Amino acid sequence: AQSVTQLGSHVSVSEGALVLLRCNYSSSVPPYLFWYVQYPNQGLQLLLKYTTGATLVKGINGFEAEFKKSETSFHLTKPSAHMSDAAEYFCAVQAHNQGGKLIFGQGTELSVKP
Amino acid sequence: EAGVAQSPRYKIIEKRQSVAFWCNPISGHATLYWYQQILGQGPKLLIQFQNNGVVDDSQLPKDRFSAERLKGVDSTLKIQPAKLEDSAVYLCASSLAGTGDYEQYFGPGTRLTVT
Repeated sequence: AQSVTQLGSHVSVSEGALVLLRCNYSSSVPPYLFWYVQYPNQGLQLLLKYTTGATLVKGINGFEAEFKKSETSFHLTKPSAHMSDAAEYFCAVQAHNQGGKLIFGQGTELSVKP
Repeated sequence: EAGVAQSPRYKIIEKRQSVAFWCNPISGHATLYWYQQILGQGPKLLIQFQNNGVVDDSQLPKDRFSAERLKGVDSTLKIQPAKLEDSAVYLCASSLAGTGDYEQYFGPGTRLTVT
């Protein structure tokens, strides 16, 4: 069965510092990979996704993630944190042949200090 | 383009009562999902519809939860009777089709509190 592990339920960075949110997955076949962001009292918004092709994926709001098959990882980064980046971030995987179901990690809450 | 609509946004009920949530997906989206998000956890799929047919309901507690999408457009999720552990945010999402090539768009969710 597929699973997703996000290392660290809470991450705190200073404004302008590097953001690194970690995600590892377990799957016998590399799945599709996603990062979503959730602001308080709102639904999830897609930041970026990896399906095929280039392993470094750029998303919205300056975020990017790199798929590393050998490490079964899909870590999310942003060079310089902004106060507006404070939110909950979810990594998710989707099997190629299971109808679109997303399996989510437990989430990482990002705090940005001024 | 209007997003995924959900109502109500908040609901408080006592255990053993029943409750229903409504979702209207983005126009033209054939695939509709209901996820349950318990506090401190990631969303978990309850049921997936393709048009008005069920694709996956393997994690739906069928003794108390039911869902329908009769005309292949909007959907209703019902809980009867509710338990304390059903307290969660219920998220509806829709996509053009059920593969990774198509983004899932999420509604704002319904926050259910069972007392």
